[in-house]
Amino acid sequence: NAGVTQTPKFQVLKTGQSMTLQCAQDMNHEYMSWYRQDPGMGLRLIHYSVGAGITDQGEVPNGYNVSRSTTEDFPLRLLSAAPSQTSVYFCASSLWGTGRNEQYFGPGTRLTVT
Amino acid sequence: AQKVTQAQTEISVVEKEDVTLDCVYETRDTTYYLFWYKQPPSGELVFLIRRNSFDEQNEISGRYSWNFQKSTSSFNFTITASQVVDSAVYFCAPGGPNNDMRFGAGTRLTVKP
Repeated sequence: NAGVTQTPKFQVLKTGQSMTLQCAQDMNHEYMSWYRQDPGMGLRLIHYSVGAGITDQGEVPNGYNVSRSTTEDFPLRLLSAAPSQTSVYFCASSLWGTGRNEQYFGPGTRLTVT
Repeated sequence: AQKVTQAQTEISVVEKEDVTLDCVYETRDTTYYLFWYKQPPSGELVFLIRRNSFDEQNEISGRYSWNFQKSTSSFNFTITASQVVDSAVYFCAPGGPNNDMRFGAGTRLTVKP
């Protein structure tokens, strides 16, 4: 099992550009989440999904879109990148319940917006 | 929504010392879950432990132990006989039944040889 994979590992964007961060898991987990990690602030939940076709907002959803067309994939889209979106992004999956169960994290994507 | 406070931003100890990382949480849920994760310098996030609110027994796993005190809303983590490999950022994270989870700001532990 590859677990949770994320691509790319690093990305530099210019303000206003759009891009998609990819996330895939091969553990057949229903729940998937996206977090951002900023210095001194821990991880903050952006969006999560409780199954294919179902997504919901987390703590900091503005500026991001998600979709869940399959159990395996959960891409995160930045619509118009801003310097405030410079961060490390982690995707995670869990068997049941984002707040109830151990989460498996991907290796992260370090995004810089100039 | 959950709230969590990790008051210790950074801790530095010498190898073989014991160290306790504090975690205080707030929740309105009657059923909730408490987690600790480790983030070593390589950056990945590693799950350490999960407890549910009905189980207040302390847990020991090798050099690691956790003290859950529901009366004071605390879930503290102790490393006994610390080692250099324990150097990492440790996150406490309460979670609820509504898919909400909050990570604390983390405690950076440095263990010096």
